Amino acid sequence: EPEVTQTPSHQVTQMGQEVILRCVPISNHLYFYWYRQILGQKVEFLVSFYNNEISEKSEIFDDQFSVERPDGSNFTLKIRSTKLEDSAMYFCASKGQGRNQPQHFGDGTRLSIL
Amino acid sequence: GQNIDQPTEMTATEGAIVQINCTYQTSGFNGLFWYQQHAGEAPTFLSYNVLDGLEEKGRFSSFLSRSKGYSYLLLKELQMKDSASYLCAVRDGSSNTGKLIFGQGTTLQVKP
Repeated sequence: EPEVTQTPSHQVTQMGQEVILRCVPISNHLYFYWYRQILGQKVEFLVSFYNNEISEKSEIFDDQFSVERPDGSNFTLKIRSTKLEDSAMYFCASKGQGRNQPQHFGDGTRLSIL
Repeated sequence: GQNIDQPTEMTATEGAIVQINCTYQTSGFNGLFWYQQHAGEAPTFLSYNVLDGLEEKGRFSSFLSRSKGYSYLLLKELQMKDSASYLCAVRDGSSNTGKLIFGQGTTLQVKP
């Protein structure tokens, strides 16, 4: 069964450094998402991406965040200058065409900021 | 505002039936999803309701009442591997790409 893959599984970075989290969505999906989950808290929406542009973003997704689909398969989340509070699990999700289609999630990248 | 409420924890016995409730108040509604999440893993899709009523899928069923802003997930013939968090998520009706708004999740512990 096709799945969303994310790399790396765990990223440890010094505060202030840039990080890029990578995702390969399911190949025929058209809608892409990033969510995050701080330890012990709920999953929170960050951004959605469709037709090569951001469709919607949350208040969390400030100027330090950006997303890109550099080629036909990868979907990346960049955090320009990381803060301690960016430590969380980051999930990529993708969805196919159709109203009833669920979002399929990757296994996540655990980001630890020191 | 957006608010989704679920019990924080539940415990049940192997072989039994358990019902996990979810109530929601959201500015728009375009469907409700249930996901299972084992510790440190990705949420895995279980079920979807957009119309009132019961959707059955093997050992799992989900019910929706839009007028009451209420859903439940029913797990039958519980197995030890069902120990996980169960996430209720509403698809935002005001969103053009269907972002999901998640509840806190219910941690279910299945005991022998």
